[in-house]
Amino acid sequence: GQQVMQIPQYQHVQEGEDFTTYCNSSTTLSNIQWYKQRPGGHPVFLIQLVKSGEVKKQKRLTFQFGEAKKNSSLHITATQTTDVGTYFCAGARNYGGSQGNLIFGKGTKLSVKP
Amino acid sequence: ETGVTQSPTHLIKTRGQQVTLRCSSQSGHNTVSWYQQALGQGPQFIFQYYREEENGRGNFPPRFSGLQFPNYSSELNVNALELDDSALYLCASSLALRQPSYGYTFGSGTRLTVV
Repeated sequence: GQQVMQIPQYQHVQEGEDFTTYCNSSTTLSNIQWYKQRPGGHPVFLIQLVKSGEVKKQKRLTFQFGEAKKNSSLHITATQTTDVGTYFCAGARNYGGSQGNLIFGKGTKLSVKP
Repeated sequence: ETGVTQSPTHLIKTRGQQVTLRCSSQSGHNTVSWYQQALGQGPQFIFQYYREEENGRGNFPPRFSGLQFPNYSSELNVNALELDDSALYLCASSLALRQPSYGYTFGSGTRLTVV
């Protein structure tokens, strides 16, 4: 079945350092989504990437979708303590035009030392 | 615009019992997906409902079943509870389109403990 793998599992950074998490799918995806889950909270949607090679930015966050639509990355520039949480990628495949199910990676837990 | 509401927030059950978890989807959303999240893990896809029909299922046994109602709210039922069923159960609603979907809106979850 479809698998979505994410690395690293944990990342500890000093405030101000950059952070990157990588996501790889065993199959070609129709789209990939990124979510953030704060400790004790629930996943919150950040962004969706659809096109091959797509790059989107949200302030200090940069999201990329690979050319083959099988991998993605999230890069945070100059981390802040408010960035703490677990970042999940989630991939979907469309079947004959219908919406596919969203499969999550295991997430990268980011801690930021002030 | 209301978000996704799940009830109850916490639940303790005994092994072998049955449980029903409830979810009210966000206004305007017609698709509900259920996920199980064990501590320190990513959400695991259980199943999805679209227009009251199951629209995909993950690797969960048949004792996990669900329903979606005409108002798009949903229930997750788990029979013959096992200790490993202890987890956070998340409901997510979305608007299904023939084009790629938009993001899911998650509820705060139900924390189920099986003893």
